[in-house]
Amino acid sequence: AQKVTQAQTEISVVEKEDVTLDCVYETRDTTYYLFWYKQPPSGELVFLIRRNSFDEQNEISGRYSWNFQKSTSSFNFTITASQVVDSAVYFCALSEATYSSASKIIFGSGTRLSIRP
Amino acid sequence: ETGVTQTPRHLVMGMTNKKSLKCEQHLGHNAMYWYKQSAKKPLELMFVYSLEERVENNSVPSRFSPECPNSSHLFLHLHTLQPEDSALYLCASSPTSSSGNTIYFGEGSWLTVV
Repeated sequence: AQKVTQAQTEISVVEKEDVTLDCVYETRDTTYYLFWYKQPPSGELVFLIRRNSFDEQNEISGRYSWNFQKSTSSFNFTITASQVVDSAVYFCALSEATYSSASKIIFGSGTRLSIRP
Repeated sequence: ETGVTQTPRHLVMGMTNKKSLKCEQHLGHNAMYWYKQSAKKPLELMFVYSLEERVENNSVPSRFSPECPNSSHLFLHLHTLQPEDSALYLCASSPTSSSGNTIYFGEGSWLTVV
């Protein structure tokens, strides 16, 4: 069975600190996809990144970076020089490989990140 | 304009009322989804439609009734709800053209049942 674990329920840091959100997943599939979404207080889940299981290169997008390690089944998300606008709930998610069909995405329970000014 | 729009954004209804949530996507996708998000609970997948056909129904009570008249529109009809059904209901869409497609969410409809 597939499972996504975000052990950190809440994190609070002071602005400009770096912060890492952990994500550990379980799957028996050899081909799968990992995602991160951001949910601000308004409610909408905003897509941040998608990574397939064959691409272990780390990715950087501005202040955001992602570290994918298949050996530890982890897909961690780091925000560098955090800002108050980064305050939100962040979800890690896992999808099996489905072809020409709807996606079956399983979400973790989320990590609530608070950035204090 | 966002890619996935939901109306209404906020809804308060009594337990005997009948109401509907509406979702429209402008992304040319072929799959649409309803998720429920309750306080302190993980996101729960309720229904999935692919090419207007329901492909998943995760043991959702019959007081929730989805409808997908075309690939751009999705409804969730609500009747005789319970207070515990109060939650954020999120609509989403995705393409079906390749593997592991990203799903894109709307802003959600906050539902309160009184």
